[in-house]
Amino acid sequence: EVQLVESGGGLVKPGESLRLSCAASGFMFSRFGMSWVRQAPGKGLEWVSSVSSNSENIEYADSVKGRFTISRDSATNSVLLQMDNLRAEDTAVYYCARDWQWLVHDSWGQGTLVTVSS
Amino acid sequence: EIVLTQSPGTLSLSPGERVTLSCRASQSVSGSYLAWYQQKPGQAPRLLIFGVSNRATGIPDRFSGSGSGTDFTLTISRLEPEDFAVYYCHHYGRSLGYTFGQGTNLEIK
Repeated sequence: EVQLVESGGGLVKPGESLRLSCAASGFMFSRFGMSWVRQAPGKGLEWVSSVSSNSENIEYADSVKGRFTISRDSATNSVLLQMDNLRAEDTAVYYCARDWQWLVHDSWGQGTLVTVSS
Repeated sequence: EIVLTQSPGTLSLSPGERVTLSCRASQSVSGSYLAWYQQKPGQAPRLLIFGVSNRATGIPDRFSGSGSGTDFTLTISRLEPEDFAVYYCHHYGRSLGYTFGQGTNLEIK
């Protein structure tokens, strides 16, 4: 069974940093791209970033480019999202997702809440 | 960047009815890069349809997707109680950008 478990969310002040982690299990991690998708409270879905199976292809939404960094660790079967210079508008539930095809998110974690507030 | 507009915003129907949800793109979608997701309150989204009309693994055949160009639809042939949720369309083609529609809330009448 595919499992994706996010961690690392919390309350931070504007300008601070946070690192999210997504632990993957139940599938061959090295064969799949991975993505982060977020959802602000009461709002819709917003794609944040994706990394291909071999890390050669990485993309970011314009809203986070230059502030967020996605990476993956094959030793621990995890995907990370380093979030720097956080803003109030980054407040959201952040979901980790497996990409069956590029940006076709066929499995999702339960999400982790990031709150940016002074 | 492509914009996806879903309509209606909210739809109130009864179990057993047939429903068609609309997703209109601001530019013509090439390569069939259109998917649909279902999200229930407090849960993560679930992939229903990818490539315009391909059902994801485990999705019942009462769900179907169709369309081309700028107009796409998700049809549920006969609503079950568990189908009441928010539905999002999603464009995932690199050339036009990755974006979700704003969602359609399907509620029980």
